[in-house]
Amino acid sequence: DVQLLESGGGLVQPGGSLRLSCATSEFTFRRYAMNWVRQAPGKGLEWVSTFSDTGNTYYGDSVKGRFTISRDNSKGTLYLQMNSLRAEDTAVYYCAKGTGIAKGSDYYYYMDVWGKGTTVTVSS
Amino acid sequence: AIQMTQSPSSLSASVGDRVTITCRASQGIRNDLGWYQQKPGKAPKLLIYGASSLHSGVPSRFSGSGSGTDFTLTISSLQPEDFATYYCLQDYNYPLTFGQGTKLEIK
Repeated sequence: DVQLLESGGGLVQPGGSLRLSCATSEFTFRRYAMNWVRQAPGKGLEWVSTFSDTGNTYYGDSVKGRFTISRDNSKGTLYLQMNSLRAEDTAVYYCAKGTGIAKGSDYYYYMDVWGKGTTVTVSS
Repeated sequence: AIQMTQSPSSLSASVGDRVTITCRASQGIRNDLGWYQQKPGKAPKLLIYGASSLHSGVPSRFSGSGSGTDFTLTISSLQPEDFATYYCLQDYNYPLTFGQGTKLEIK
């Protein structure tokens, strides 16, 4: 089974930076899209960013211009560089593997494997 | 961005009950919708993709339906392990958007 392990979370001051990592031992890592999803304390899930299997990147409006997603397929690792952090970025950050499948004429995408999450706290 | 509105926000039910949660999209999303279950302190788990396809290993008491703008998640007979928070997620286009969640509690 594919497993994902996030790291890099911690306490950072407003305006600071952090880089999150998501490691997998799965050798076919390069074939999949990868996502970051976060959850602020006591709140719902918020999609943050996706790095597709074809190299396209996508960002939520709340992080666009501040966060950068990247991946190193040779290391099986996904990254999220977070700059200009704000208090409202405080959350548990999950990485999730994205799977796309074709069924007949339809194409489906879903997040089928999730890490346990890493906590980011932005506070002075 | 597409807005996803779930209802109800919370729900009390008993073991054995049939429960339905709805999710409405602010525009048509074909059947590009998934349902996720999350328990406190844990990562979400995929239940349903493509609005109605059951993910591998998910019990058959879970089912999904809908297309376009209106979707439902049904649990046919609640089990103790089903008390959790449920989220819909549209993957029709970016930015991907979740519903606000439905907390299912024991009555």
